[in-house]
Amino acid sequence: GESVGLHLPTLSVQEGDNSIINCAYSNSASDYFIWYKQESGKGPQFIIDIRSNMDKRQGQRVTVLLNKTVKHLSLQIAATQPGDSAVYFCAELFGNEKLTFGTGTRLTIIP
Amino acid sequence: SQTIHQWPATLVQPVGSPLSLECTVEGTSNPNLYWYRQAAGRGLQLLFYSVGIGQISSEVPQNLSASRPQDRQFILSSKKLLLSDSGFYLCAWSREGETQYFGPGTRLLVL
Repeated sequence: GESVGLHLPTLSVQEGDNSIINCAYSNSASDYFIWYKQESGKGPQFIIDIRSNMDKRQGQRVTVLLNKTVKHLSLQIAATQPGDSAVYFCAELFGNEKLTFGTGTRLTIIP
Repeated sequence: SQTIHQWPATLVQPVGSPLSLECTVEGTSNPNLYWYRQAAGRGLQLLFYSVGIGQISSEVPQNLSASRPQDRQFILSSKKLLLSDSGFYLCAWSREGETQYFGPGTRLLVL
């Protein structure tokens, strides 16, 4: 079956630098994408979402980019802070309300 | 605003004992409800989802069952726990076609 995957399982970034977390998806019919942040021992927290009729969406310090041509999704975090250390999941939604999650990328912020 | 609750937060149970995990949502009506399991350092596996009272869809054959006795209550159960049932159990809710929001999770250890 089709699934959402991530290019890198771990990422270390210097505090204050920008970070980019990537995600590849294979279902070209997916029409809704979500990024979640999960801190240790907690449930995933919604960060930002984007629908397939958009290619960019910005939030507070975060930007999601969607490239439908190559089926690629990215999360950019500006001016990273220690609190940004977590596992980040992308997820895609197609049709029947069931999200397909990627395996996650662990982001570590180096002080 | 909407909130989602799960309890207990942690649980240690012997093999062969029963299980009941509860999830409740406040501030919305007729939500879609979901149960996920997450093994340590892994992604999210969808176990059950429900689009209404008494309506349960199972994603994987397993030792667990789910019930939705009320609109905003979702229960995960087992008659006899297995060692392999250990994990982090997450409940989530959504409106149709929109983001899923997760609860704080229950950490289950079966010994």
